[in-house]
Amino acid sequence: DGGITQSPKYLFRKEGQNVTLSCEQNLNHDAMYWYRQDPGQGLRLIYYSQIVNDFQKGDIAEGYSVSREKKESFPLTVTSAQKNPTAFYLCASSPTGGAFGYGYTFGSGTRLTVV
Amino acid sequence: QKEVEQNSGPLSVPEGAIASLNCTYSDRVSQSFFWYRQYSGKSPELIMSIYSNGDKEDGRFTAQLNKASQYVSLLIRDSQPSDSATYLCAPFQAGGFKTIFGAGTRLFVKA
Repeated sequence: DGGITQSPKYLFRKEGQNVTLSCEQNLNHDAMYWYRQDPGQGLRLIYYSQIVNDFQKGDIAEGYSVSREKKESFPLTVTSAQKNPTAFYLCASSPTGGAFGYGYTFGSGTRLTVV
Repeated sequence: QKEVEQNSGPLSVPEGAIASLNCTYSDRVSQSFFWYRQYSGKSPELIMSIYSNGDKEDGRFTAQLNKASQYVSLLIRDSQPSDSATYLCAPFQAGGFKTIFGAGTRLFVKA
């Protein structure tokens, strides 16, 4: 079955450490997105990519980095510069090309905790 | 003004009633709108999309759109306890080619 796989499900980060969250999709979608969700809050866009080897900053990109070397993969690195990384991280994908946009398919998420 | 405004709730309705979830948005250019359901601790799931003014029905769900008023709503008929979740309103910004999410309305359906 097609879908988006995020790993790991839970991740613990020590102070000053970089960590990478994995996101893989087999839906043949061009666009991929990373969102952060804090308790009781909405989704905030970190980075998005509409095509391989290209990506744009979202609303809260500081302290994060991404790469898009393959259509299927869009990993997110949370760097030590991100001072408050504890959150629920969601990866999503969608087709592109339509004037009205498309709904997103989300992965199951990664819960990151600073210890 | 927030780009997408939703009443955070919780909205509590008895089983079998109609639940009405409302959303207003600030971007007049938005052409399409999506509703997602998010169970506690889980990721969002797309349940409805609407592009034209008026109503769109899918099973027990009806989405309503009024672009002139910049208002979109989701009605859930015959509400069930399994509908208890947070519902996210998400307009698509064609100019920036991205979707903006509201903070969501928590719905609680009492058995």
